[in-house]
Amino acid sequence: AQSVTQPDIHITVSEGASLELRCNYSYGATPYLFWYVQSPGQGLQLLLKYFSGDTLVQGIKGFEAEFKRSQSSFNLRKPSVHWSDAAEYFCAVGGSGNTPLVFGKGTRLSVIA
Amino acid sequence: DAGITQSPRHKVTETGTPVTLRCHQTENHRYMYWYRQDPGHGLRLIHYSYGVKDTDKGEVSDGYSVSRSKTEDFLLTLESATSSQTSVYFCAISELSSYGYTFGSGTRLTVV
Repeated sequence: AQSVTQPDIHITVSEGASLELRCNYSYGATPYLFWYVQSPGQGLQLLLKYFSGDTLVQGIKGFEAEFKRSQSSFNLRKPSVHWSDAAEYFCAVGGSGNTPLVFGKGTRLSVIA
Repeated sequence: DAGITQSPRHKVTETGTPVTLRCHQTENHRYMYWYRQDPGHGLRLIHYSYGVKDTDKGEVSDGYSVSRSKTEDFLLTLESATSSQTSVYFCAISELSSYGYTFGSGTRLTVV
């Protein structure tokens, strides 16, 4: 069965510092991987997704993620965090066709001045 | 998000009463999903639909039923609400799940 682990429940970074959010997945076949962001009181917005090809994918808001098959990871990065990036971030895994996505438990990001 | 709306946005109900949440889309997407979000649990799939009258259970389907009589509407019903069903409920749509989802704004349900 597919699963996603986000090891960090809460991360605090200073504005302007770099960010890396970790995501490890378990899936028997080639995974489809996603990162979503949720601002307080809002729905989830897709940041980026990986299907195949280049293992470094670019998303919106200056985020990128790298797929590492050997480590079953899909970590999210941003070189310089802005205060508006404070939110909760969810990693998700799915497969081809109509397999519903499985989400991790999320990582809450706080940004301090 | 544009193209998907959930109603109501907030609801308080009493234990034992039936409750129906509605998800409406204007994107003509085939797939629709209901998730619940709880602190420490992330998002968990309740039910999903892959077409009109075609639905399937997710990992936390007990106590919930769904119906999809039209492409654009996906209803989630709590037959007899319990306090453990206090949660934020999200609907999502997709043309194909591997493409990713578009989420609604959520319904915050409180069962007292």
